[in-house]
Amino acid sequence: EIVLTQSPGTLSLSPGERATLSCRATQSVSSSFLAWYQQKPGQAPRLLIYGASSRATGIPDRFSGSGSGTDFTLTISRLEPEDFAVYYCQQYGSSRYTFGQGTKLEIK
Amino acid sequence: EVQLVESGGVVVQPGGSLRLSCAASEFTFDDYTMHWVRQAPGKGLEWVSLISWDGGSTYYADSVKGRFTISRDNSKNSLYLRMNSLRNEDTALYYCAKDGGTYHFDYWGQGTLVTVSS
Repeated sequence: EIVLTQSPGTLSLSPGERATLSCRATQSVSSSFLAWYQQKPGQAPRLLIYGASSRATGIPDRFSGSGSGTDFTLTISRLEPEDFAVYYCQQYGSSRYTFGQGTKLEIK
Repeated sequence: EVQLVESGGVVVQPGGSLRLSCAASEFTFDDYTMHWVRQAPGKGLEWVSLISWDGGSTYYADSVKGRFTISRDNSKNSLYLRMNSLRNEDTALYYCAKDGGTYHFDYWGQGTLVTVSS
């Protein structure tokens, strides 16, 4: 089973700053099968990025995804107050889906 | 707008059984693979199971294989999860999620809470 490790565990930044979240896999992941989600307290996860770099419907262009192989990155170019949340990466392989443990993005 | 509404979550004793339901609307249900994903209190996300559009293929996480059964009724636009031999570690918010077409989850319900406790 492919394990995804996200870093950092917690990221403290201010509105207007740039956020860089990392997701590292124990084996190579097809870029087509890597996604990112945002989850706010008391809410269901929301799809942000799929196929490593494609933004989901309605997602602002300040969110971008990149990477390949075992290293993937979610970048938020300029943080808005509503972006402070927990972010998860997710991959598919061998008929199984796994998530990273999450990165909490908090207001500094 | 796609809607997914889960129901059936309750408090159940260890070893007990439960069936969760998910009512889908505002999309062509029988075109899509559907999933169950769970989240233990204060923890991360764990994929549980998937079922293909026609119910012909099902897959499970190792943690639930042999105990949980996913099914669907396309005539009722509904997804189900039969949960047997429940354990304390099955306590979680269970989400129904629609497959986005390329191995991700593009819409999620609000979840139904299952608590396994004596």
